[in-house]
Amino acid sequence: QKEVEQNSGPLSVPEGAIASLNCTYSDRGSQSFFWYRQYSGKSPELIMSIYSNGDKEDGRFTAQLNKASQYVSLLIRDSQPSDSATYLCAVNILSSNYKLTFGKGTLLTVNP
Amino acid sequence: GAVVSQHPSRVICKSGTSVKIECRSLDFQATTMFWYRQFPKQSLMLMATSNEGSKATYEQGVEKDKFLINHASLTLSTLTVTSAHPEDSSFYICSAAGTGVIETQYFGPGTRLLVL
Repeated sequence: QKEVEQNSGPLSVPEGAIASLNCTYSDRGSQSFFWYRQYSGKSPELIMSIYSNGDKEDGRFTAQLNKASQYVSLLIRDSQPSDSATYLCAVNILSSNYKLTFGKGTLLTVNP
Repeated sequence: GAVVSQHPSRVICKSGTSVKIECRSLDFQATTMFWYRQFPKQSLMLMATSNEGSKATYEQGVEKDKFLINHASLTLSTLTVTSAHPEDSSFYICSAAGTGVIETQYFGPGTRLLVL
């Protein structure tokens, strides 16, 4: 069974700190990796996508992928209260016709 | 780019009636659309995958005769909840993926359904 596991929350960090969100996946055939942010009562919003080992930076967000360890993470620098949301890790395998397997999500709270 | 819309955003209906929800990709051609359901404080649950011009593939436990999905064009998919009951009340979210967006799913804003 293809699984995506995220570190259990909630995760609470002070404003300005670095928030670290982690995700592991079980299927070695996984090709594409995504982080979505979901505010309460809203639909998921794409934050980052990553396809190759290493780091990918976009503003305050950095995604890190290690396929050997089957691990993907999201770092949020200079965390803001507006970053408070549930972060969903999602994984796609090549043969799945764009279908994603989602983790259960990590609730992040950034305290002013 | 990669904008997905849903209509309506919120609907209230009486038990036994049918409700249609539209999902549109506004600036790209969606070869594949997905329908999810999310109950309060729970994870996203994939209901079905639809490809343009073909029958939808439903996830285990999802009644295909109750949740009718049509993907008639590369920019439009519809979900019809037939004979809705209060237990169908939920947040229904579509997503779209396809040409030019490299395997990425982009989500619509969701439709909140309340069945009385």
